Amino acid sequence: DVKVTQSSRYLVKRTGEKVFLECVQDMDHENMFWYRQDPGLGLRLIYFSYDVKMKEKGDIPEGYSVSREKKERFSLILESASTNQTSMYLCASSYPFGDSSGANVLTFGAGSRLTVL
Amino acid sequence: AQKVTQAQTEISVVEKEDVTLDCVYETRDTTYYLFWYKQPPSGELVFLIRRNSFDEQNEISGRYSWNFQKSTSSFNFTITASQVVDSAVYFCALSRTGGFKTIFGAGTRLFVKA
Repeated sequence: DVKVTQSSRYLVKRTGEKVFLECVQDMDHENMFWYRQDPGLGLRLIYFSYDVKMKEKGDIPEGYSVSREKKERFSLILESASTNQTSMYLCASSYPFGDSSGANVLTFGAGSRLTVL
Repeated sequence: AQKVTQAQTEISVVEKEDVTLDCVYETRDTTYYLFWYKQPPSGELVFLIRRNSFDEQNEISGRYSWNFQKSTSSFNFTITASQVVDSAVYFCALSRTGGFKTIFGAGTRLFVKA
């Protein structure tokens, strides 16, 4: 069964801490994404990557960075966590748009709920 | 700019009722994809359907059906004879063909009561 696995389901961190959220996919997908989900706002794209070591800003990149050293792994980093980063973080992956049958179809992980105190 | 609007924040129905979830989108792209995803209480979003902008045929899959109307920029989702297991948050989404970003609506939370 294809999967996107997020390392932590629940995290509680202190303001100012550095936070790493890890995501691994086993589908050999080129594209990987980090979204955050907040009530009433839906899902908002933080960063995405279309290849190893490549990254692009999404709609709300401020306060975040990412790393993709291997095709299957995409990490989200909060350099100095703040309370307004308390949220549900969702990792997803997809085939590139050249694959017509699966293009842009996102496979999501279970999510990481981060609380920053 | 792209935008997806799901005006219904929450809907509550009794089991076996039919329910329609509305989705209106805005885009300047000539080719695009529309999607519906389901997020059950467990939290993991699950893909339901992808519709290409040049294919306006309605689609039916079991109790689920989708009505795509380009003239009104709408992509509505109907569940026939709803069941308790349909209780979830449903997201409508949009992406440009050949693009990377998928834009999501705010979601509609559906409660189906036994």
